[in-house]
Amino acid sequence: GIQVEQSPPDLILQEGANSTLRCNFSDSVNNLQWFHQNPWGQLINLFYIPSGTKQNGRLSATTVATERYSLLYISSSQTTDSGVYFCAVAAGSGGYNKLIFGAGTRLAVHP
Amino acid sequence: DAGVTQSPTHLIKTRGQQVTLRCSPISGHKSVSWYQQVLGQGPQFIFQYYEKEERGRGNFPDRFSARQFPNYSSELNVNALLLGDSALYLCASSLGSSGNTIYFGEGSWLTVV
Repeated sequence: GIQVEQSPPDLILQEGANSTLRCNFSDSVNNLQWFHQNPWGQLINLFYIPSGTKQNGRLSATTVATERYSLLYISSSQTTDSGVYFCAVAAGSGGYNKLIFGAGTRLAVHP
Repeated sequence: DAGVTQSPTHLIKTRGQQVTLRCSPISGHKSVSWYQQVLGQGPQFIFQYYEKEERGRGNFPDRFSARQFPNYSSELNVNALLLGDSALYLCASSLGSSGNTIYFGEGSWLTVV
C-alpha cells in the first residue's frame, strides 16, 4: 500500500515565524489533503490538493504529483496554529476514498 | 449548513460489551467513512459506504461492522470490546465515492475499561 512520510515530526516556533511542513508519498494518488487536528481532536480540512498550488490566508500548499511530495507553508504563525498537521492521501483504486494518513507534524507555537 | 455530526461524543464501556456510534453526513453527501485514531497516531481507515453499499474495508476484525441508511446517515458497531479498542472514532463524509474533499466530524471518544 501507499506509504506517507511527514517531516519534521515535531516543530516549535515563536509567534510570527514561518514554517514548511513536508509530505512524501510512495505512489500515484488522486486525493491528497492536509488537515489540522486541534487539541480537542477535530480534524479540520485545510486543503484538498492532489496537484498544484492553493492559498488560504496565511496558509498555502503545493503538491508536485510527479515527484510525489506536498508542502504546507504556514506564514506569520499564531498560537492558534498549534496542534498536529496531517497529510493524507488516497489512490482511488476500487472507486473509493481510503485515506492513508502520515504520522503527523506536531506544531507548538509560543507567544 | 451543519457539518458532519457524531454521537455520542464520549462514552465508557466495559470489556466484552458492544457499542454503536452514529454519524450524520453533510447534507447532500452520499459517502460516509469511519476511521479509528489511537492516541499518538494518525487515523486508520475502517469502512467506507457510498449509496448504502460498502465500498471499502480496512484491516479490522469482524467485530467491527457498519451500515448506511437511506438518509445517508451511518452507524458503526463494535462487538466484544477489547481494551485496545479505546480510541477516537471519526466519521467523514464526501460528495462522491472517490476523488473528493473529505470532511470529518468531531469524533466519538471511546474508553474501554
